[in-house]
Amino acid sequence: AQSVTQLGSHVSVSEGALVLLRCNYSSSVPPYLFWYVQYPNQGLQLLLKYTTGATLVKGINGFEAEFKKSETSFHLTKPSAHMSDAAEYFCAVSDEAGGTSYGKLTFGQGTILTVHP
Amino acid sequence: GAGVSQSPSNKVTEKGKDVELRCDPISGHTALYWYRQSLGQGLEFLIYFQGNSAPDKSGLPSDRFSAERTGGSVSTLTIQRTQQEDSAVYLCASSQRDRGRSTIYFGEGSWLTVV
Repeated sequence: AQSVTQLGSHVSVSEGALVLLRCNYSSSVPPYLFWYVQYPNQGLQLLLKYTTGATLVKGINGFEAEFKKSETSFHLTKPSAHMSDAAEYFCAVSDEAGGTSYGKLTFGQGTILTVHP
Repeated sequence: GAGVSQSPSNKVTEKGKDVELRCDPISGHTALYWYRQSLGQGLEFLIYFQGNSAPDKSGLPSDRFSAERTGGSVSTLTIQRTQQEDSAVYLCASSQRDRGRSTIYFGEGSWLTVV
């Protein structure tokens, strides 16, 4: 069974600073990995996903993440934070390669990102 | 509409009552998923539908929870004899198909409060 750990339930950065949100996963098979963002009172929006191929994945709003198999990590980064990036971010893993549904996602507990002026 | 639509957006119900939550997936999407988001448990998978295949109900927390999908489109999640621990946001999602190249789109959720 897969699992996801997000290190840090709250991260605070200054506007213009680097954003780094950490995600480590556990999976018995090559995973599919996702980052979702949730703004207050809204649903989840996909930022980016890794399925196969290039390990550095670029997403929307300037975010990117790198799949590192040796470290079982999929950390999310953005070079320069904007006030509009303030939201909750979720890392998720899908175990489709293990025979389960692609959309049967296991989510981390989420990281709330605060951006201050 | 262009996105996944859920109704009601908010529901307050008394303990012991039954509730129904509705999901309209994006047109043409064959895969549909229900998730629950609560303070104590985070985001949890509940159930998954793919075309005419039998649904994967492995995430349903008890037999008070059930879901159906009519005509391969609209889905209804039913919670019988609601308990306070059922209070959560119920999120529906859909994708064109249950494959790695598909994007999973989430609705804005139905916020359920059991009093």
